[in-house]
Amino acid sequence: GENVEQHPSTLSVQEGDSAVIKCTYSDSASNYFPWYKQELGKRPQLIIDIRSNVGEKKDQRIAVTLNKTAKHFSLHITETQPEDSAVYFCAASMGSGGYQKVTFGTGTKLQVIP
Amino acid sequence: DAGVTQSPTHLIKTRGQHVTLRCSPISGHKSVSWYQQVLGQGPQFIFQYYEKEERGRGNFPDRFSARQFPNYSSELNVNALLLGDSALYLCASSYGSKGGLTSYEQYFGPGTRLTVT
Repeated sequence: GENVEQHPSTLSVQEGDSAVIKCTYSDSASNYFPWYKQELGKRPQLIIDIRSNVGEKKDQRIAVTLNKTAKHFSLHITETQPEDSAVYFCAASMGSGGYQKVTFGTGTKLQVIP
Repeated sequence: DAGVTQSPTHLIKTRGQHVTLRCSPISGHKSVSWYQQVLGQGPQFIFQYYEKEERGRGNFPDRFSARQFPNYSSELNVNALLLGDSALYLCASSYGSKGGLTSYEQYFGPGTRLTVT
């Protein structure tokens, strides 16, 4: 089955700096890669996603890149703010025609220091 | 417009008991997936249901079962509870597929915190 590795497990940055979280996946059949932000005691929230036919996607301060050949994808947060502090999960999803199986990474705890 | 809802919010059960968790997807969404999230880890895929049929199953024992109703809501059942079943159980809904196009975006409910003593 699919295996998703995520690094680093913890990340501390100064407010205003950039943060990068990296993930690798094992199954080339995966075709959709979402990123979730989970604050303590709350549900995971979808913050950005990318499909396998796209190499990069940006939404304001957040961007995701995908390298299908190397089977890795990354989350980039620029101009970090204290409210960005949370646990971030990458995921790899495979499926079609209504079928979907999502495998999550182990999470990165991001701390933005004011 | 309501998001994904789950009930109950919290639940305490004793080893060996049975539990039923409920999920209502976003209106118009036909796919429901269930996840188990143990503290400090990422969500683990349990089941996916689409159009009332099981479409995917993760590496969980047969004690775990689920179903989806005609209104696309879903139940997750766990029999013979073990201490290790203590976790946050998350439900996520997505639109599914229509006309050859698949919408993959999943939106999570608030979860049910299950404690087994």
